[in-house]
Amino acid sequence: TQLLEQSPQFLSIQEGENLTVYCNSSSVFSSLQWYRQEPGEGPVLLVTVVTGGEVKKLKRLTFQFGDARKDSSLHITAAQPGDTGLYLCAGLSSGTYKYIFGTGTRLKVLA
Amino acid sequence: DSGVTQTPKHLITATGQRVTLRCSPRSGDLSVYWYQQSLDQGLQFLIQYYNGEERAKGNILERFSAQQFPDLHSELNLSSLELGDSALYFCASSVAASSNYGYTFGSGTRLTVV
Repeated sequence: TQLLEQSPQFLSIQEGENLTVYCNSSSVFSSLQWYRQEPGEGPVLLVTVVTGGEVKKLKRLTFQFGDARKDSSLHITAAQPGDTGLYLCAGLSSGTYKYIFGTGTRLKVLA
Repeated sequence: DSGVTQTPKHLITATGQRVTLRCSPRSGDLSVYWYQQSLDQGLQFLIQYYNGEERAKGNILERFSAQQFPDLHSELNLSSLELGDSALYFCASSVAASSNYGYTFGSGTRLTVV
């Protein structure tokens, strides 16, 4: 069974703090995406990483794809209450061509 | 607005009933995916259609069925509803049959079975 394990599962931090969310698998992925989902809404695609070692920045968010394309991380600098939500990684498995969602990280940023 | 339209937004129905959820994909997208998300749970893949044909099946119950029409909109039919079917149902779309660049999600249909 292919899994994308995210850690931590829950995170509650103060406004202005930095944080990192991890997404790990034992399988290789041809690409990985990160989504943010707010309560009652659908996930919104934030970024796609395709190349091993790739780093992408989106304002205060930095995304990295592992060299072996088995893991990814999301780093948020100076978190704001508007960053609150469920963060999901997802990817297309290189072997099975199945699209798999991670277990999710629920972030709460307190003002 | 993501470009993926789901109707209705909310649905309340009784156990044993049947409902139909509708999804219009983003313009130009040929693939439609259906997901179920229960309270505080992850996204469970149900089924995918590509250009009118069933492409992949996930954890979809036999009481559930779906189809994609020639105009590419899709419907998810849920029958003999049980309390445990209460969840958010999301539709997503992509251009290709297997997307290396992620999906575009609709805002979901919240189904409550009472």
